[in-house]
Amino acid sequence: DAKTTQPTSMDCAEGRAANLPCNHSTISGNEYVYWYRQIHSQGPQYIIHGLKNNETNEMASLIITEDRKSSTLILPHATLRDTAVYYCIAPGSSNTGKLIFGQGTTLQVKP
Amino acid sequence: DAGVIQSPRHEVTEMGQEVTLRCKPISGHNSLFWYRQTMMRGLELLIYFNNNVPIDDSGMPEDRFSAKMPNASFSTLKIQPSEPRDSAVYFCASSTRPGQPPDTIYFGEGSWLTVV
Repeated sequence: DAKTTQPTSMDCAEGRAANLPCNHSTISGNEYVYWYRQIHSQGPQYIIHGLKNNETNEMASLIITEDRKSSTLILPHATLRDTAVYYCIAPGSSNTGKLIFGQGTTLQVKP
Repeated sequence: DAGVIQSPRHEVTEMGQEVTLRCKPISGHNSLFWYRQTMMRGLELLIYFNNNVPIDDSGMPEDRFSAKMPNASFSTLKIQPSEPRDSAVYFCASSTRPGQPPDTIYFGEGSWLTVV
């Protein structure tokens, strides 16, 4: 599994875009990058995943650098309900299906 | 659609007692995961099953912990005897495509265990 590095915490103003970075410099060519988040007192929730191309869904956008050594999760218009811990995960190419969670980034959206 | 269902949601027990946590995965999912979360250690993977078979239990902390999956719709995590340091939130999760990326893992709401 590739090691991921995320900032411990970030703040964002409500209504503004939240950009959460993740470094995964040891990622291999066929490893996906996944993003999950955990709102207080709830189970983690899937957000988005990607391999090489940028991805967008109803929750967020994922921008992956061309060398794939880093990525950024973008919440285009953050709301107070987006306050959560965000996990960037690169589970590896071993096809085990398991996800190992690091410490993540605590995003605080402020009014 | 029903998500991953865990029970009990909250349990307070005395040290030395047996604790059994239960999980019903999403119907049709082939993989099931048990995680534990504490402030000190974060979210840890304890064990996971593919097609009801335990694949990796390297995260199980010690022999006091055991997990079973007798069929595709039910799993248990048992702690016997329980200790105060077992106090944590235990999450069950399931996935539809084991061993094939991309996997989306769906989590339950957790079982909050307090051992006094």
